[in-house]
Amino acid sequence: AQSVTQLGSHVSVSEGALVLLRCNYSSSVPPYLFWYVQYPNQGLQLLLKYTTGATLVKGINGFEAEFKKSETSFHLTKPSAHMSDAAEYFCAASGYSSASKIIFGSGTRLSIRP
Amino acid sequence: DTEVTQTPKHLVMGMTNKKSLKCEQHMGHRAMYWYKQKAKKPPELMFVYSYEKLSINESVPSRFSPECPNSSLLNLHLHALQPEDSALYLCASSQGAQETQYFGPGTRLLVL
Repeated sequence: AQSVTQLGSHVSVSEGALVLLRCNYSSSVPPYLFWYVQYPNQGLQLLLKYTTGATLVKGINGFEAEFKKSETSFHLTKPSAHMSDAAEYFCAASGYSSASKIIFGSGTRLSIRP
Repeated sequence: DTEVTQTPKHLVMGMTNKKSLKCEQHMGHRAMYWYKQKAKKPPELMFVYSYEKLSINESVPSRFSPECPNSSLLNLHLHALQPEDSALYLCASSQGAQETQYFGPGTRLLVL
């Protein structure tokens, strides 16, 4: 079965440090890939997406992600963490079937230490 | 404009009540979705409407009844819910199948 795996349910970094959130997908056919962010008591906001073309994707709030087919990965990075980045981050994939479904990873909670 | 709106923001209901959640988008999207999200979990798909027709029902109990009156509106009618149905209910829309889904802010539901 197709799946999206996020390594680390909780990641804590210091303010100003590099943020790295890991995501791996299972598929023989590269799907469409997304990162969403969810702040407390809010809906999901799209950070960035990969469909085709350039494998390094830039998103909002200084985040970027690189699609690596050989590693079936789509890790999310930000060079310098800010306190406002504290949130839940979900990696997701679609395109596994003709159905209108996306598969979410289990989520990673990002905490920022002052 | 990538806004999906949901009302109400919060809802408290008893197990014998009937209530409805409303979702609206004006992006011309042809697919609309209902998700249920429990604390510290990813969203779980409940229903998908494509071109105003129900295309996916993820074996949701009949106490949840979706409705798509037109291409911009999506309702979720609630009746005889259980306390375990308490959750954040999210609506989303997309241009088509497999396209980027845009989420609303959600309705926080508490069933007493």
